[in-house]
Amino acid sequence: GENVEQHPSTLSVQEGDSAVIKCTYSDSASNYFPWYKQELGKRPQLIIDIRSNVGEKKDQRIAVTLNKTAKHFSLHITETQPEDSAVYFCAASYGGSYIPTFGRGTSLIVHP
Amino acid sequence: EAEVAQSPRYKITEKSQAVAFWCDPISGHATLYWYRQILGQGPELLVQFQDESVVDDSQLPKDRFSAERLKGVDSTLKIQPAELGDSAMYLCASSFGHAQTQYFGPGTRLLVL
Repeated sequence: GENVEQHPSTLSVQEGDSAVIKCTYSDSASNYFPWYKQELGKRPQLIIDIRSNVGEKKDQRIAVTLNKTAKHFSLHITETQPEDSAVYFCAASYGGSYIPTFGRGTSLIVHP
Repeated sequence: EAEVAQSPRYKITEKSQAVAFWCDPISGHATLYWYRQILGQGPELLVQFQDESVVDDSQLPKDRFSAERLKGVDSTLKIQPAELGDSAMYLCASSFGHAQTQYFGPGTRLLVL
């Protein structure tokens, strides 16, 4: 099955800095890569996703890049704000099922 | 804005007891998922329904876990008997179709003593 590795497990930045979270996946057939944000005690919420026919996608301060050859994808958050503090999960869908396999999460802390 | 509903939000039980969780997906969402999330880890899929049919339950411990979605709308996940290692957050999610964005419910936090 699919295996998703996510790094770093914890990321601490100053407000206004950029944050980058990286994920690798094992199954070359995976073709859908969502990112979820989970605040403490709350449900995961989709913040951005990318499909394998696109190399980059941007939504305001958030961008995701995908390198299919290397089988890795990254989340980029610019001009971080304290409200960006949360756990971020990457995921990769296995084959054609679109059932995501999740990474272990990155705890992002933005210091004011 | 429509949301996935789950109940109860918290459940404390003793090992060997039976527990049940309920999920009501967003109206019109044909696909429903149950996940288990252990503290500090990402969600792991337990079972996926398409309408009332199970699409994938390969990761569901069938000796103690069962799930149903009899009318293709709301769903129930049951554990019997509960074990200490079952303590986790149980998340339900739904999507319009199996290839669409998933929306998560607030989860049920289970503690087995």
